[in-house]
Amino acid sequence: QSVLTQPPSVSGAPGQRVTISCTGSSSNLGAGYDVHWYQQFPGTAPKLLIFRNTNRPSGVPDRFSGSKSGASASLAITGLQAEDEADYYCQSYDDRLSGSRVFGGGTKLTVL
Amino acid sequence: QVQLVQSGPEVRKPGASVKVSCKASGYTFSTYDINWVRQATGQGLEWMGWMNPKSGNTGYGKKFQGRVTLTRNTTINTAYLELSSLRFDDTAVYYCARGRGWLEPTDYWGQGTRVTVFS
Repeated sequence: QSVLTQPPSVSGAPGQRVTISCTGSSSNLGAGYDVHWYQQFPGTAPKLLIFRNTNRPSGVPDRFSGSKSGASASLAITGLQAEDEADYYCQSYDDRLSGSRVFGGGTKLTVL
Repeated sequence: QVQLVQSGPEVRKPGASVKVSCKASGYTFSTYDINWVRQATGQGLEWMGWMNPKSGNTGYGKKFQGRVTLTRNTTINTAYLELSSLRFDDTAVYYCARGRGWLEPTDYWGQGTRVTVFS
């Protein structure tokens, strides 16, 4: 059971918009801590996709965007492409767990 | 360019220990923490702990306290994860990743090291 809750899977057709939710609690997202998002392809290391809720590292397409409100956060992908098919993880900090980083359980995005 | 290069795959028996290395290059090693994250096959990411290379200060996830030791050798810009009393469910890919403090993201990751616990 992950501290941050994500849907196990989402899907969408090419060109569509999909969102992935990340729900926390009063000890992590609800306490005001930022959320970061990672993209992971099979057999490879995760890659930072969104940091501090809404910011994209250099090189990440603007089709990817993030938002946060209270104890929830979302990753949105517009203009879905086949190459976006991957696993996505949210991550934050939890002050109930002695300085721990915490991850969501991950969401598998399937492009139909 | 920033790189974190990890040591190769390991196979251990239950009860043994394993030590994984993570060599940093392309940046000043002492200016970023090194975090360790593991991923069992088909499972999600699990944060294990962090280490500040400059001070040597460490922090461990509750689940791993007492079994994980994080160290570093600043002369060769390398961080180490040692996991003891290995169990079958420690079989996973172990990643190192750099970050600045608990609240910041981990922006570069190593390629991962597969550890298999097998009798």
